[in-house]
Amino acid sequence: GIQVEQSPPDLILQEGANSTLRCNFSDSVNNLQWFHQNPWGQLINLFYIPSGTKQNGRLSATTVATERYSLLYISSSQTTDSGVYFCAVGVYKLSFGAGTTVTVRA
Amino acid sequence: EAGVAQSPRYKIIEKRQSVAFWCNPISGHATLYWYQQILGQGPKLLIQFQNNGVVDDSQLPKDRFSAERLKGVDSTLKIQPAKLEDSAVYLCASSELKQYFGPGTRLTVT
Repeated sequence: GIQVEQSPPDLILQEGANSTLRCNFSDSVNNLQWFHQNPWGQLINLFYIPSGTKQNGRLSATTVATERYSLLYISSSQTTDSGVYFCAVGVYKLSFGAGTTVTVRA
Repeated sequence: EAGVAQSPRYKIIEKRQSVAFWCNPISGHATLYWYQQILGQGPKLLIQFQNNGVVDDSQLPKDRFSAERLKGVDSTLKIQPAKLEDSAVYLCASSELKQYFGPGTRLTVT
């Protein structure tokens, strides 16, 4: 199956800081999505981004499918950004990475 | 727009007992997924339905897990008999392109 590696595993930020999360995958995919799991366990879809760049408020994502990686940018982080960020990739089904745990301190 | 609904939210059972989870997807979404999420890990796909047909169930432990999606709308996932290692959060999701998740059912097997 497709291998998905996310880095870093843990990230501690001061409120207002910017950060970049990375997702590497082992095979060609036509589906890549980023999710945020909040401290209460709810998974929220952030982006459907099999290629190119998208922005949503303070978040943006870029996928370079030919080089098999995707980046998630968080700008001006807020405490509500805390949680686990998952990258999920695949063709007809998604395989999830282990996630990046983000802690934003006030 | 209503999200993905799941019930129950929490369940505690003893090993060897049976348990069932219910999911109602977002209206109009043809694809429905059941995932298992163990603490500290990413969700693992158990089964994927397209309408009421199974697309993938390669990671479903079929000796004890079963799932159905009657009429291509809501779905049930059953475990019988449960083992200690089945303790996890069971997540239902539905999609057209983007996947949307329900709140999950936290199962504890004692």
